[in-house]
Parts: sequence; C-alpha cells; structure tokens
Amino acid sequence: GDSVTQMEGPVTLSEEAFLTINCTYTATGYPSLFWYVQYPGEGLQLLLKATKADDKGSNKGFEATYRKETTSFHLEKGSVQVSDSAVYFCALSGPRGSSNTGKLIFGQGTTLQVKP
Amino acid sequence: NAGVTQTPKFRILKIGQSMTLQCTQDMNHNYMYWYRQDPGMGLKLIYYSVGAGITDKGEVPNGYNVSRSTTEDFPLRLELAAPSQTSVYFCASYDGGADEKLFFGSGTQLSVL
Repeated sequence: GDSVTQMEGPVTLSEEAFLTINCTYTATGYPSLFWYVQYPGEGLQLLLKATKADDKGSNKGFEATYRKETTSFHLEKGSVQVSDSAVYFCALSGPRGSSNTGKLIFGQGTTLQVKP
Repeated sequence: NAGVTQTPKFRILKIGQSMTLQCTQDMNHNYMYWYRQDPGMGLKLIYYSVGAGITDKGEVPNGYNVSRSTTEDFPLRLELAAPSQTSVYFCASYDGGADEKLFFGSGTQLSVL
C-alpha cells in the first residue's frame, strides 16, 4: 500500500542554519504531496503542498519540490528561526477528485529544534 | 472563527470503560476525519465522513465507532477501552476544495490504564 517515510529526528540546528528534512513516498498513480507542521500544543497545519511532478510548494520560507523520478518531497529552508521549532509531517493523498482525496497517509514526523 | 474543536484535551480511562471524544467544526465542511497518533509514528486514519449520515472505515477502525448526524459534529466512540488505544487523537475537516487543505483540532491525549 501507499506509504511515506521521513528522516529520523530529532533535528537540532542553530538559528540561521540551512534545513533539510527528507521525505520519500511509495504510491500508485500520482498522489498529492503535503508538508504539515505541528507547533507545541496545537493541531497540525498545512505548510505547503504540490499536486504534480516538478511542482514546487512554498510557504513561510519553506520549499519542497515534487520529484517523481526519486519519489521524494524533501522540505528545505535556507535560514531557520527559533520559531520554526515544531514537528514536521510529510503526507500524501490520492489524486484530486479520487476517492482518496483528503484521506492523508502520514510519515512519522520529524521534530525540529532550533537553538538561538 | 473557532475552526475544529476537540474535547476533552486529556483523559485517563480504565480498561473496559467507554467514552466519546467530541469533535465539532464551524466551517460547514462536508469531510471530517479521525486520526490517531502513536509515539514515533505517523497519524493513522480511523474513520472518515463525506457528509452528514455517511461514514466509512479508515486504516485502523477496530475498537471504535462514529456517527455523523449533523455537518458540524463527528464524535468518536470507544466502547471497551484497551491499553492499545492509548494515543493522541486528532479530528480534522476539509471542504473538498482544490486546495486539499485539512483543518485539524488540537488533539485529545488518551491514556488507558
């Protein structure tokens, strides 16, 4: 079945460091790909998404590119801030309009801690 | 605009007890979902609903029941709590639109002892 694998955490970085969180997926067809973020004590929030190969999602300085050839959707940010400390989840769903739209399959989450 | 509201935030149950986790949304979304998150694991879909009166099983439905009598509410019922149901439970909603954006509640942390 479909699945998502993320790099193990926790990831600890100093402020202004470059961030990469790896995400690879296994899916039939052409899924939509997402990054969700969970700040302490809150629910998950959509950070960015991409719906087809070579699409780049971006938001709040974060970017991820849908790479079908490597089945990857790595999250990057050029300069992290303390306020970026959170848990990041990679996820996929069925193609838009399919019966699996909205039924997300999540990776295990990666905890990011940014130190001043 | 409250979004998705879950109650309670924390609960401890004894084995065999029952309880209902409440979820309500004020965005008039047709789609609603229940996920559980075990430590070190991704969220797994328990049940979902595409509209009032319609529910279906997700990946891990055993031990749970749901109902959807209104658009706003999607309660999750545990009938005979077991230690394996110790988890954090998230409710989410979605309007079915092209942005594919799910809105999540802040979660219910449940321990079964």
